[in-house]
Amino acid sequence: AQSVTQLDSHVSVSEGTPVLLRCNYSSSYSPSLFWYVQHPNKGLQLLLKYTSAATLVKGINGFEAEFKKSETSFHLTKPSAHMSDAAEYFCVVSEPYSGGGADGLTFGKGTHLIIQP
Amino acid sequence: DTGVSQNPRHKITKRGQNVTFRCDPISEHNRLYWYRQTLGQGPEFLTYFQNEAQLEKSRLLSDRFSAERPKGSFSTLEIQRTEQGDSAMYLCASSLQGKRTQYFGPGTRLTVL
Repeated sequence: AQSVTQLDSHVSVSEGTPVLLRCNYSSSYSPSLFWYVQHPNKGLQLLLKYTSAATLVKGINGFEAEFKKSETSFHLTKPSAHMSDAAEYFCVVSEPYSGGGADGLTFGKGTHLIIQP
Repeated sequence: DTGVSQNPRHKITKRGQNVTFRCDPISEHNRLYWYRQTLGQGPEFLTYFQNEAQLEKSRLLSDRFSAERPKGSFSTLEIQRTEQGDSAMYLCASSLQGKRTQYFGPGTRLTVL
């Protein structure tokens, strides 16, 4: 079974400083991993995805994530935070389909990113 | 707009009433998923369709929940005899077969009084 642990429920950084949102996963197979962002009263937007190609993945709005199999981690980073980055961020895992069926995505509980002016 | 759309965006109902939500996926996507998101939690997978076939429904929360996708295009999620605990955001997503990336709609927020 797959699972995701987001290590921080809230992260607060000052505008212009680096962002680090931590995520660990558990999977029996070679997973696909995603980060989604959810702004208030808006839908989930895909930030980036890892699907067994390059371990360093670049996403939208300057975000990156590195897949580390040995650490079972997929942390999200951004060099310089902007006020518009304030939102809820979800780390997500998806395993290969098996038995002819398919599973939905498994979401972490989310990390609320606060940007201080 | 070629994204996933959901209607209504908000629904307020009284306990015991039935409600139905609609999802229109991205037009070329043949897979459609339903999720529920409660306050302070990540979305929770409920069910999914490939074309008109419902291939996974064991995660539906109770027999009061049902979903259809009769022509393989839009889908509906129905909750019968709503309870206050059903209050949540209901999200729909779609994807292409063989692709793991899912694209989400804005959700329908249900409030059961």
